[in-house]
Amino acid sequence: AQKVTQAQTEISVVEKEDVTLDCVYETRDTTYYLFWYKQPPSGELVFLIRRNSFDEQNEISGRYSWNFQKSTSSFNFTITASQVVDSAVYFCALSDPNNAGNMLTFGGGTRLMVKP
Amino acid sequence: DAGVTQSPTHLIKTRGQHVTLRCSPISGHKSVSWYQQVLGQGPQFIFQYYEKEERGRGNFPDRFSARQFPNYSSELNVNALLLGDSALYLCASSFKYLDRVDQPQHFGDGTRLSIL
Repeated sequence: AQKVTQAQTEISVVEKEDVTLDCVYETRDTTYYLFWYKQPPSGELVFLIRRNSFDEQNEISGRYSWNFQKSTSSFNFTITASQVVDSAVYFCALSDPNNAGNMLTFGGGTRLMVKP
Repeated sequence: DAGVTQSPTHLIKTRGQHVTLRCSPISGHKSVSWYQQVLGQGPQFIFQYYEKEERGRGNFPDRFSARQFPNYSSELNVNALLLGDSALYLCASSFKYLDRVDQPQHFGDGTRLSIL
């Protein structure tokens, strides 16, 4: 069975601090996909990044970066120089092609609060 | 281009009633998935439909049902509502499924269902 764990339920930082959101996953499959989504207070889930299990290259997009380590089953997300607009709940998710369609298994989410 | 649209945005029902939630996918998307997000938790997969056929079902009771129409829009029906059905119901669309599990799903703003 698939499982995604986000151990940090809530993180509070001051603007301009760097912050890392942790994600640990479990799957028995060798081919899978990992995602990060952002959920602002308005409720919609905003896609941030997708990673497949064969690509362990870290990725940077502006102030966002992702560290995928297959050996530890982790896919961590770092925001550099955080801003108040980054305040939201962030979800890590896992998609397994052997499962129903492209069903996503989500973690419990990490609520990030960035204070001015 | 319009994103995923869901209606209604909010709904209040009482125990034992039934409810129908609606979703219109992004133009060109043929797959629609439904997720339930209880307050403070990550979304949980309910159903996926592709080309009007059910392609995946999560661990939800038979009180939950769905269908997809020829224009790829979808309805989620819940019968005999319970207090525990109170949640944000999210619809997501993607172009295909299975062979394109890496494609990100695009989510609507959700329908917030409250059961009294």
